Amino acid sequence: GAGVSQSPRYKVAKRGQDVALRCDPISGHVSLFWYQQALGQGPEFLTYFQNEAQLDKSGLPSDRFFAERPEGSVSTLKIQRTQQEDSAVYLCASSPDPTVLSSYEQYFGPGTRLTVT
Amino acid sequence: KQEVTQIPAALSVPEGENLVLNCSFTDSAIYNLQWFRQDPGKGLTSLLLIQSSQREQTSGRLNASLDKSSGRSTLYIAASQPGDSATYLCAVPRNTGKLIFGQGTTLQVKP
Repeated sequence: GAGVSQSPRYKVAKRGQDVALRCDPISGHVSLFWYQQALGQGPEFLTYFQNEAQLDKSGLPSDRFFAERPEGSVSTLKIQRTQQEDSAVYLCASSPDPTVLSSYEQYFGPGTRLTVT
Repeated sequence: KQEVTQIPAALSVPEGENLVLNCSFTDSAIYNLQWFRQDPGKGLTSLLLIQSSQREQTSGRLNASLDKSSGRSTLYIAASQPGDSATYLCAVPRNTGKLIFGQGTTLQVKP
């Protein structure tokens, strides 16, 4: 079936603009994660949803970052008043069963590359 | 706090060579360890997942080992090819499933 999809793939925003990044997880996947990847670095966790509940938002860098998953499927990551340091690739991942962590595999989308000028 | 480190940061080898990528983690209480591949401008592709009860996993020319007691994992690539050129990332999950990543090893295989 279809994998995780993200849109847009590329986004250029002027400093101070608001942006919204979309993630469509694999159908039926309960868990959804957002990560931020700076150039030359590994991805860093931002936030986690189990169905529509946001269970962990400890990685969100500031209150300008907001994520939602209102119906337990599609998720949107919103960044308000973008700053240059927000420039990064934003990755979304989904996973089917959060209860069996030993075999818990995450499937990643292609990412959205955000450039703030 | 779990920290994941990958050495080396970059590696260049001639085609056909066997090679080893290293991953170390500070907290040995892990559920599993996952190896990913990332091509430039692309997302992450899962290569291998080793459960905490396993010692190794194999897929084609790839073999990943796990030694929890020493906090190490290695990814062995046999008979490397130019198409193997990419960044390789290892990651371990925390209780909620969120992944803690290393910074990656960028591999270049020269024809």
